[in-house]
Amino acid sequence: GAGVSQSPRYKVAKRGQDVALRCDPISGHVSLFWYQQALGQGPEFLTYFQNEAQLDKSGLPSDRFFAERPEGSVSTLKIQRTQQEDSAVYLCASSSLIRQLSGANVLTFGAGSRLTVL
Amino acid sequence: DQQVKQNSPSLSVQEGRISILNCDYTNSMFDYFLWYKKYPAEGPTFLISISSIKDKNEDGRFTVFLNKSAKHLSLHIVPSQPGDSAVYFCAVYSTGTASKLTFGTGTRLQVTL
Repeated sequence: GAGVSQSPRYKVAKRGQDVALRCDPISGHVSLFWYQQALGQGPEFLTYFQNEAQLDKSGLPSDRFFAERPEGSVSTLKIQRTQQEDSAVYLCASSSLIRQLSGANVLTFGAGSRLTVL
Repeated sequence: DQQVKQNSPSLSVQEGRISILNCDYTNSMFDYFLWYKKYPAEGPTFLISISSIKDKNEDGRFTVFLNKSAKHLSLHIVPSQPGDSAVYFCAVYSTGTASKLTFGTGTRLQVTL
């Protein structure tokens, strides 16, 4: 597609529910990133995929967070047993470059999925 | 600990004047610096970048200045236009580790008529 597409755009979950957030990167983009943006904060790195390989998951805040990209294109971020502190906008970004960041590598971000946990 | 700080959460500037957005970082290992712009309900979009070997990079109305000794960068927008009203994030990374982008907390710019 023309851009990075994320769904759902808005999700309200009750505390304890599991949620799944989907990211469709730009076609052919090798690298895919997930970021979490809490209210009033900048985006914070969660995890990075190169094709189907998850090369960096150092930013995942707990083992309740799980991400996958089984065929090297679409990615899903799953949050189990959601907590109120998980409320945030989850941003997906993709890049055509193999190295996560190189020079003026430009990440193309999606519009995000806003998760509200009640 | 906040490695990248944008100490001004908001800024209001009159149309036609200069907007100056500031960003401070703590880690001297960072050697690439970017600015992203974000409109409501949209993802951040890349604006301009600079590497540590330069102290200035210009692209049309946008200029980024880097002061490595002070670990400070700034974005100048001149002349400011109403369409520039958005949240601006600085972001940094270290090419040596090819690590993730670290973002500041953002500055909301309002350009008034």
